[in-house]
Amino acid sequence: EDQVTQSPEALRLQEGESSSLNCSYTVSGLRGLFWYRQDPGKGPEFLFTLYSAGEEKEKERLKATLTKKESFLHITAPKPEDSATYLCAVQELSQKLVFGQGTRLTINP
Amino acid sequence: GAGVSQSPRYKVAKRGQDVALRCDPISGHVSLFWYQQALGQGPEFLTYFQNEAQLDKSGLPSDRFFAERPEGSVSTLKIQRTQQEDSAVYLCASSLVGTPNEKLFFGSGTQLSVL
Repeated sequence: EDQVTQSPEALRLQEGESSSLNCSYTVSGLRGLFWYRQDPGKGPEFLFTLYSAGEEKEKERLKATLTKKESFLHITAPKPEDSATYLCAVQELSQKLVFGQGTRLTINP
Repeated sequence: GAGVSQSPRYKVAKRGQDVALRCDPISGHVSLFWYQQALGQGPEFLTYFQNEAQLDKSGLPSDRFFAERPEGSVSTLKIQRTQQEDSAVYLCASSLVGTPNEKLFFGSGTQLSVL
């Protein structure tokens, strides 16, 4: 059975303080690993898809990386508007996504 | 609208009542998904449609849950004889073609509270 574990559960940073969020996964055949951002009261919003170990993708202050067992979401010089819950999900052979529990990120000004 | 629309936004039901949750996907999107999100948790898969065909319903927690998409556009998730454990946010998502690894567009969800 697919498993996705995210850490930490919650993270508080000062504006400009860089850090990383972790997503560890167990899946028999990875088709893709997804990162989504979720704001309170909203649905998840797509950020990245990673397909194979060694792949990296960037968007503004965010960079996602992938190994055979985990993915990292690196946040460089974050701003208060980056505060949200970040969700990691894996897709195996079926169309469904298996999500982790998320990391609640708070950036203090 | 350009996004996925869900209604109602909030629903309060007494235990034992039936509820119906509606999802309007992005126009032209072939695939439609329902997810259930408990407080503080990630979304959990319920069911998946490609056009009007329900291809995967393995995530529906019991036979009280039923989903349909009769004309391949709007979908309804029905929960019969609601229980307190059904309280959650129900998210609908759609994607354009339905190929693997395609990104999903989520609605804002329906928050269901069963008293």
